[in-house]
Amino acid sequence: ETGVTQSPTHLIKTRGQQVTLRCSSQSGHNTVSWYQQALGQGPQFIFQYYREEENGRGNFPPRFSGLQFPNYSSELNVNALELDDSALYLCASSRPGQGENIQYFGAGTRLSVL
Amino acid sequence: EDQVTQSPEALRLQEGESSSLNCSYTVSGLRGLFWYRQDPGKGPEFLFTLYSAGEEKEKERLKATLTKKESFLHITAPKPEDSATYLCAVQGQDNFNKFYFGSGTKLNVKP
Repeated sequence: ETGVTQSPTHLIKTRGQQVTLRCSSQSGHNTVSWYQQALGQGPQFIFQYYREEENGRGNFPPRFSGLQFPNYSSELNVNALELDDSALYLCASSRPGQGENIQYFGAGTRLSVL
Repeated sequence: EDQVTQSPEALRLQEGESSSLNCSYTVSGLRGLFWYRQDPGKGPEFLFTLYSAGEEKEKERLKATLTKKESFLHITAPKPEDSATYLCAVQGQDNFNKFYFGSGTKLNVKP
């Protein structure tokens, strides 16, 4: 158990809808990263939040957005869902600067877009 | 751009048959290389971090090594419970907030 929790575990949406995914980071961790993992592929970096500010972004369009709250929990929002957005969405928490910069992952949210 | 390539894509072993997984990387200044294990339907589980060429780390039947261009995950006398997808990720000096993952090696150990 990493202490990183994600909700919901599964979600089914239709094309064009909007979705919000949630993540609670491990105790003591101030940084949250979000990844998209398509079937049979490795996780792809979406963005990272550090102290409530976006701290780096991968090659994802602006309809992917996020928030981090004062308690370091985070949300991933995806607008105008497309079929290709179907994937496992992973959240990882870390505390950069404290020894090894290890990212600890939650179990993910499986999103299906119909 | 930073890149990670893992091989083979899939590997079938008999219980007790040792082997190695490869992770080749291109990064502008390696800050860290990470190995994770992922079981079906679950998030990646951290295994090892390596920081410099020549470094080695061990955990039970797993041993990770690092050179300037690649990393190996050696599995000695595997058991069926070692079956999983093994992911490699790199963190570069220029984009230290990003982990670049490979596509993974799916390991199946048969009893």
